[in-house]
Amino acid sequence: GEDVEQSLFLSVREGDSSVINCTYTDSSSTYLYWYKQEPGAGLQLLTYIFSNMDMKQDQRLTVLLNKKDKHLSLRIADTQTGDSAIYFCAESKRRDDKIIFGKGTRLHILP
Amino acid sequence: DAGVTQSPTHLIKTRGQQVTLRCSPKSGHDTVSWYQQALGQGPQFIFQYYEEEERQRGNFPDRFSGHQFPNYSSELNVNALLLGDSALYLCASSHRGTEKGYSNQPQHFGDGTRLSIL
Repeated sequence: GEDVEQSLFLSVREGDSSVINCTYTDSSSTYLYWYKQEPGAGLQLLTYIFSNMDMKQDQRLTVLLNKKDKHLSLRIADTQTGDSAIYFCAESKRRDDKIIFGKGTRLHILP
Repeated sequence: DAGVTQSPTHLIKTRGQQVTLRCSPKSGHDTVSWYQQALGQGPQFIFQYYEEEERQRGNFPDRFSGHQFPNYSSELNVNALLLGDSALYLCASSHRGTEKGYSNQPQHFGDGTRLSIL
Protein backbone atom coordinates (compact mmCIF):
# COMPACT_ATOMS: atom_id res chain seq x y z
CA GLY A 1 0.00 0.00 0.00
CA GLU A 2 0.89 3.64 -0.12
CA ASP A 3 1.27 5.42 3.18
CA VAL A 4 3.55 8.11 4.58
CA GLU A 5 3.80 8.64 8.33
CA GLN A 6 5.39 11.50 10.23
CA SER A 7 5.12 12.96 13.71
CA LEU A 8 2.70 15.87 13.98
CA PHE A 9 4.67 18.35 16.11
CA LEU A 10 8.26 19.34 16.80
CA SER A 11 9.54 22.16 19.01
CA VAL A 12 13.10 23.35 18.60
CA ARG A 13 15.05 26.20 20.16
CA GLU A 14 16.26 28.91 17.76
CA GLY A 15 19.80 28.16 16.62
CA ASP A 16 19.54 24.42 17.28
CA SER A 17 19.14 21.77 14.59
CA SER A 18 15.70 20.42 13.73
CA VAL A 19 15.27 16.82 12.64
CA ILE A 20 11.96 15.77 11.12
CA ASN A 21 11.43 12.07 10.54
CA CYS A 22 9.21 10.18 8.14
CA THR A 23 8.50 6.58 7.19
CA TYR A 24 6.89 5.31 4.02
CA THR A 25 5.54 1.93 3.02
CA ASP A 26 5.84 1.72 -0.76
CA SER A 27 9.17 0.10 -1.58
CA SER A 28 8.78 1.10 -5.25
CA SER A 29 8.91 4.81 -4.35
CA THR A 30 11.62 6.36 -6.46
CA TYR A 31 11.37 10.03 -5.50
CA LEU A 32 11.14 11.28 -1.93
CA TYR A 33 10.33 14.90 -1.19
CA TRP A 34 10.21 17.46 1.55
CA TYR A 35 7.74 20.32 1.14
CA LYS A 36 7.27 23.39 3.35
CA GLN A 37 3.93 25.12 3.88
CA GLU A 38 3.61 28.41 5.71
CA PRO A 39 0.23 29.53 7.13
CA GLY A 40 -2.25 30.33 4.39
CA ALA A 41 0.24 29.55 1.63
CA GLY A 42 0.76 26.84 -0.96
CA LEU A 43 3.46 24.18 -1.03
CA GLN A 44 7.12 25.00 -1.49
CA LEU A 45 9.39 22.18 -2.63
CA LEU A 46 12.40 22.28 -0.30
CA THR A 47 14.38 19.36 -1.63
CA TYR A 48 14.03 15.86 -3.02
CA ILE A 49 16.16 12.74 -3.16
CA PHE A 50 16.25 9.75 -5.46
CA SER A 51 15.81 6.34 -3.88
CA ASN A 52 19.30 5.29 -5.02
CA MET A 53 20.88 8.02 -2.86
CA ASP A 54 21.66 7.93 0.85
CA MET A 55 22.11 11.61 1.51
CA LYS A 56 21.63 15.00 -0.07
CA GLN A 57 22.82 18.31 1.34
CA ASP A 58 21.64 21.74 0.25
CA GLN A 59 22.86 24.66 2.36
CA ARG A 60 21.19 24.27 5.80
CA LEU A 61 19.17 21.24 4.71
CA THR A 62 20.35 17.63 4.91
CA VAL A 63 18.19 14.73 3.78
CA LEU A 64 19.02 11.20 4.88
CA LEU A 65 17.42 8.13 3.34
CA ASN A 66 17.50 4.63 4.79
CA LYS A 67 15.88 2.64 2.00
CA LYS A 68 16.05 -0.65 3.89
CA ASP A 69 13.96 0.76 6.75
CA LYS A 70 11.97 3.11 4.42
CA HIS A 71 12.96 6.02 6.65
CA LEU A 72 13.55 9.57 5.49
CA SER A 73 14.71 12.50 7.61
CA LEU A 74 15.16 16.23 7.10
CA ARG A 75 17.70 18.09 9.19
CA ILE A 76 17.59 21.88 9.29
CA ALA A 77 20.78 23.35 10.73
CA ASP A 78 20.74 26.60 12.74
CA THR A 79 16.95 26.74 12.87
CA GLN A 80 15.55 30.26 12.47
CA THR A 81 12.13 31.76 13.23
CA GLY A 82 11.46 31.81 9.49
CA ASP A 83 11.64 28.02 9.49
CA SER A 84 8.41 27.88 11.47
CA ALA A 85 5.99 26.04 9.16
CA ILE A 86 4.46 22.65 8.40
CA TYR A 87 6.82 20.22 6.70
CA PHE A 88 5.42 17.47 4.50
CA CYS A 89 7.22 14.29 3.63
CA ALA A 90 6.06 12.81 0.30
CA GLU A 91 6.88 10.13 -2.23
CA SER A 92 6.14 9.20 -5.84
CA LYS A 93 7.10 6.42 -8.22
CA ARG A 94 8.00 8.79 -11.04
CA ARG A 95 8.62 12.51 -10.99
CA ASP A 96 5.36 13.16 -12.87
CA ASP A 97 3.39 10.53 -10.96
CA LYS A 98 0.86 11.23 -8.21
CA ILE A 99 2.54 12.35 -5.01
CA ILE A 100 1.58 10.68 -1.71
CA PHE A 101 1.90 13.07 1.24
CA GLY A 102 2.16 12.56 4.97
CA LYS A 103 -0.03 14.59 7.33
CA GLY A 104 2.75 17.09 7.97
CA THR A 105 4.96 18.02 10.93
CA ARG A 106 4.38 21.42 12.49
CA LEU A 107 7.75 22.91 13.44
CA HIS A 108 7.58 25.39 16.31
CA ILE A 109 10.61 27.55 17.09
CA LEU A 110 11.26 28.46 20.71
CA PRO A 111 13.09 31.74 21.46
CA ASP B 1 8.79 33.10 -16.01
CA ALA B 2 5.40 32.67 -14.35
CA GLY B 3 5.01 29.63 -12.18
CA VAL B 4 1.78 27.72 -11.69
CA THR B 5 -1.14 30.13 -11.37
CA GLN B 6 -4.52 29.28 -9.92
CA SER B 7 -7.77 31.22 -9.85
CA PRO B 8 -9.65 32.29 -7.93
CA THR B 9 -7.61 32.47 -4.72
CA HIS B 10 -10.66 32.23 -2.50
CA LEU B 11 -14.22 31.11 -3.15
CA ILE B 12 -17.33 30.72 -1.02
CA LYS B 13 -20.16 28.45 -2.14
CA THR B 14 -23.19 26.83 -0.56
CA ARG B 15 -24.11 23.16 -0.37
CA GLY B 16 -25.46 21.72 -3.61
CA GLN B 17 -23.82 24.31 -5.83
CA GLN B 18 -21.23 23.62 -8.49
CA VAL B 19 -17.74 25.16 -8.71
CA THR B 20 -15.00 25.46 -11.32
CA LEU B 21 -11.38 26.08 -10.37
CA ARG B 22 -8.71 26.99 -12.90
CA CYS B 23 -5.00 26.31 -13.26
CA SER B 24 -2.36 27.53 -15.69
CA PRO B 25 0.76 25.38 -15.63
CA LYS B 26 4.30 26.64 -15.49
CA SER B 27 5.69 27.56 -18.88
CA GLY B 28 6.98 24.47 -20.66
CA HIS B 29 4.88 22.05 -18.58
CA ASP B 30 2.29 19.81 -20.19
CA THR B 31 0.90 17.77 -17.28
CA VAL B 32 -1.45 19.05 -14.60
CA SER B 33 -2.38 17.32 -11.36
CA TRP B 34 -4.99 18.38 -8.82
CA TYR B 35 -4.85 17.83 -5.07
CA GLN B 36 -7.28 18.48 -2.21
CA GLN B 37 -5.87 19.58 1.14
CA ALA B 38 -8.38 19.51 3.97
CA LEU B 39 -7.61 21.47 7.13
CA GLY B 40 -4.87 19.80 9.15
CA GLN B 41 -4.20 17.16 6.52
CA GLY B 42 -1.67 16.54 3.79
CA PRO B 43 -2.71 17.04 0.17
CA GLN B 44 -4.56 14.13 -1.46
CA PHE B 45 -4.30 13.38 -5.16
CA ILE B 46 -7.52 13.90 -7.13
CA PHE B 47 -6.48 13.31 -10.75
CA GLN B 48 -3.92 14.10 -13.41
CA TYR B 49 -4.33 15.33 -16.98
CA TYR B 50 -1.95 14.92 -19.88
CA GLU B 51 -2.69 15.41 -23.57
CA GLU B 52 -6.22 16.51 -22.62
CA GLU B 53 -7.03 13.15 -21.04
CA GLU B 54 -7.38 12.00 -17.45
CA ARG B 55 -4.39 9.70 -16.90
CA GLN B 56 -4.60 8.86 -13.21
CA ARG B 57 -7.31 9.23 -10.64
CA GLY B 58 -7.29 9.11 -6.85
CA ASN B 59 -10.08 7.99 -4.56
CA PHE B 60 -12.56 10.79 -5.26
CA PRO B 61 -16.21 10.48 -6.34
CA ASP B 62 -17.48 11.27 -9.82
CA ARG B 63 -18.67 14.66 -8.55
CA PHE B 64 -15.06 15.67 -9.13
CA SER B 65 -14.27 16.06 -12.81
CA GLY B 66 -11.72 17.90 -14.85
CA HIS B 67 -10.61 19.09 -18.19
CA GLN B 68 -7.37 20.03 -19.89
CA PHE B 69 -7.25 22.47 -22.79
CA PRO B 70 -4.92 22.49 -25.81
CA ASN B 71 -2.82 25.21 -24.13
CA TYR B 72 -2.28 22.76 -21.18
CA SER B 73 -4.35 24.79 -18.72
CA SER B 74 -6.85 22.84 -16.67
CA GLU B 75 -10.12 23.11 -14.81
CA LEU B 76 -11.39 21.21 -11.80
CA ASN B 77 -15.17 20.96 -11.51
CA VAL B 78 -17.01 19.84 -8.41
CA ASN B 79 -20.76 19.24 -8.54
CA ALA B 80 -23.30 18.98 -5.72
CA LEU B 81 -20.94 20.55 -3.18
CA LEU B 82 -20.83 19.12 0.33
CA LEU B 83 -19.58 20.75 3.51
CA GLY B 84 -16.70 18.26 3.44
CA ASP B 85 -15.49 19.68 0.14
CA SER B 86 -14.20 22.74 2.01
CA ALA B 87 -10.45 22.63 1.46
CA LEU B 88 -7.43 24.14 -0.25
CA TYR B 89 -7.30 22.88 -3.84
CA LEU B 90 -3.79 22.72 -5.22
CA CYS B 91 -2.69 22.39 -8.81
CA ALA B 92 0.71 21.02 -9.74
CA SER B 93 2.33 20.97 -13.15
CA SER B 94 5.20 19.02 -14.64
CA HIS B 95 6.72 18.16 -17.98
CA ARG B 96 6.10 14.58 -18.95
CA GLY B 97 8.36 14.73 -22.00
CA THR B 98 8.72 11.95 -24.49
CA GLU B 99 11.04 9.58 -22.72
CA LYS B 100 8.88 6.73 -21.46
CA GLY B 101 6.73 9.06 -19.37
CA TYR B 102 9.57 10.48 -17.32
CA SER B 103 9.66 14.21 -16.83
CA ASN B 104 12.87 16.13 -16.35
CA GLN B 105 11.91 18.37 -13.47
CA PRO B 106 9.88 17.97 -10.28
CA GLN B 107 6.25 19.01 -10.06
CA HIS B 108 5.64 22.67 -9.26
CA PHE B 109 2.67 23.64 -7.09
CA GLY B 110 0.51 26.74 -7.28
CA ASP B 111 -0.63 28.66 -4.22
CA GLY B 112 -4.05 27.01 -4.35
CA THR B 113 -7.70 28.01 -4.26
CA ARG B 114 -9.29 28.05 -0.83
CA LEU B 115 -12.88 26.81 -1.18
CA SER B 116 -15.32 27.29 1.67
CA ILE B 117 -18.74 25.63 1.65
CA LEU B 118 -21.47 27.16 3.80
